[in-house]
Amino acid sequence: GAGVSQSPRYKVTKRGQDVALRCDPISGHVSLYWYRQALGQGPEFLTYFNYEAQQDKSGLPNDRFSAERPEGSISTLTIQRTEQRDSAMYRCASSLRGGKTDTQYFGPGTRLTVL
Amino acid sequence: AQRVTQPEKLLSVFKGAPVELKCNYSYSGSPELFWYVQYSRQRLQLLLRHISRESIKGFTADLNKGETSFHLKKPFAQEEDSAMYYCALRGPSNTGKLIFGQGTTLQVKP
Repeated sequence: GAGVSQSPRYKVTKRGQDVALRCDPISGHVSLYWYRQALGQGPEFLTYFNYEAQQDKSGLPNDRFSAERPEGSISTLTIQRTEQRDSAMYRCASSLRGGKTDTQYFGPGTRLTVL
Repeated sequence: AQRVTQPEKLLSVFKGAPVELKCNYSYSGSPELFWYVQYSRQRLQLLLRHISRESIKGFTADLNKGETSFHLKKPFAQEEDSAMYYCALRGPSNTGKLIFGQGTTLQVKP
């Protein structure tokens, strides 16, 4: 079956613009994660959804970042008033049940460049 | 605080040589450790997890709680093993979020 998909794959924007990044998890997967990966670093956790409930947003760096998953499937990560330091690879992952036992399957990522 | 350290940014070996990618962690409790791999132009994927005690593509990793390490080993490297490798720790929360190291690029030369 299809894996996790993300769109767009590449996004170039100007400082101050808002961007919306989309994640379509594997069908039936309850849990969805967003990670951010700066150049030369490993992925860093941003937020976690269990169905439509955002149960952990401790990794969101500031209030310009928000995420939603209104119907428990597709998720959108929104960055308002983008800054150059937001440039990174944004990765989405999903797992069947979440929690401590499941494998997370990653999407291809969205490369965001803020000019 | 939970932390994963991969001390080598780049590891370069010749085909057929043994490989050891180092990973150390900081965690209070019983950790769950993983190795993820990203081949060129592919997505991040799970290579192995310590609780499975399995060997994938000839790679193994043993959790050493005394040394807080989870090094990834392969006795004979192949060119197709060239990739970026990330060690990761499952955090203490029930969300299952992962804490990653900064990654090691493995380059296997012919």
